[in-house]
Amino acid sequence: AQKVTQAQTEISVVEKEDVTLDCVYETRDTTYYLFWYKQPPSGELVFLIRRNSFDEQNEISGRYSWNFQKSTSSFNFTITASQVVDSAVYFCALSEKGGSEKLVFGKGTKLTVNP
Amino acid sequence: DADVTQTPRNRITKTGKRIMLECSQTKGHDRMYWYRQDPGLGLRLIYYSFDVKDINKGEISDGYSVSRQAQAKFSLSLESAIPNQTALYFCATSDKTGTDEKLFFGSGTQLSVL
Repeated sequence: AQKVTQAQTEISVVEKEDVTLDCVYETRDTTYYLFWYKQPPSGELVFLIRRNSFDEQNEISGRYSWNFQKSTSSFNFTITASQVVDSAVYFCALSEKGGSEKLVFGKGTKLTVNP
Repeated sequence: DADVTQTPRNRITKTGKRIMLECSQTKGHDRMYWYRQDPGLGLRLIYYSFDVKDINKGEISDGYSVSRQAQAKFSLSLESAIPNQTALYFCATSDKTGTDEKLFFGSGTQLSVL
């Protein structure tokens, strides 16, 4: 069965610090998709990234970067030079074969960025 | 206006009452989902629908029912609410084109069952 573990329940940093949110996953499938979603204090979840199991290239989008390593079954998310607006709960999720009906979420990591 | 709209945003009800949460979308997506979020537990899928005639149970469907009234509308009902159904409920949509599928969420409905 598929499983997503976000071991960090809460993280608190000071503005401009770099922070990495960990995500470890379990699946028996060779084809799968990994996601990160952001839930700001307003409550609505926002899609950040989708990565398939055949693409291990790291991705950078502005201050956000993702490190996908199949060898350690990890898909970690780094925010560089954090800002107060990055404060949110971040969810990692896994879908076998890509269908959202099979999407399994981790329990989330609450990030607080203090000024 | 939001692409995925949930009503109400907040609801307090009593044990045993029937309650309906509504979701409408303007994204033109075929696929719609209902999730619940509990503190420290992430999101869990309740029901999903791939089109008007296709309804499927998710991970935690017991105690819930759904209705897909139209492509744009998907409602969630609690026939007889109980306190452990107190949670934040999210509706989501997706448009699976090729292999690119991602979820678009509503703002959530906070339900409290007393």
